[in-house]
Amino acid sequence: KAGVTQTPRYLIKTRGQQVTLSCSPISGHRSVSWYQQTPGQGLQFLFEYFSETQRNKGNFPGRFSGRQFSNSRSEMNVSTLELGDSALYLCASSSPAGTTINTEAFFGQGTRLTVV
Amino acid sequence: QKEVEQDPGPLSVPEGAIVSLNCTYSNSAFQYFMWYRQYSRKGPELLMYTYSSGNKEDGRFTAQVDKSSKYISLFIRDSQPSDSATYLCAMSAANQAGTALIFGKGTTLSVSS
Repeated sequence: KAGVTQTPRYLIKTRGQQVTLSCSPISGHRSVSWYQQTPGQGLQFLFEYFSETQRNKGNFPGRFSGRQFSNSRSEMNVSTLELGDSALYLCASSSPAGTTINTEAFFGQGTRLTVV
Repeated sequence: QKEVEQDPGPLSVPEGAIVSLNCTYSNSAFQYFMWYRQYSRKGPELLMYTYSSGNKEDGRFTAQVDKSSKYISLFIRDSQPSDSATYLCAMSAANQAGTALIFGKGTTLSVSS
């Protein structure tokens, strides 16, 4: 059974640019959550999508947005990149079909974003 | 006060030792508790998943949750060099509004052979 797949694995962007990250969840999982990991703040929750709807949102500025498609794949977008956005962005999938609340979350390998 | 507190270590032990990793939390609404292992440049790997209070054992790993004290632990028996990694505790209130995980900062463990 394939795990969570994130693409690309590495990205280098310039301040002011925007970036889109992609996540394919485990087959049958309906929830996709995004997290930002930095050495100083650790893992912080960005947002969660369930059945194409944003179900929960963390305390990040509006420059961070996302969406989920009908096949549960998700994308995260960051606009007007800042140096402080450099981080490992992790996607987690959960909630197999038939459940609406399941916190057993499985993570992908992450996308390492560097903003220069 | 942060919602989840975890001693960052580093923690260094010899091979075969018993390792104890701990987290404390402040939000009494947390019901789901997890431990993840993260190797350098990899995503977190789910080790243990526990609902409410009690113990759960899986091979060399035992997770304990004490909701009355707002304290969770992970014990690793017969530690191996391959256990060297960062261990993250995570927890969630989990309701219809979502299943956001709140993480501790992680404890770096080094097991020497």
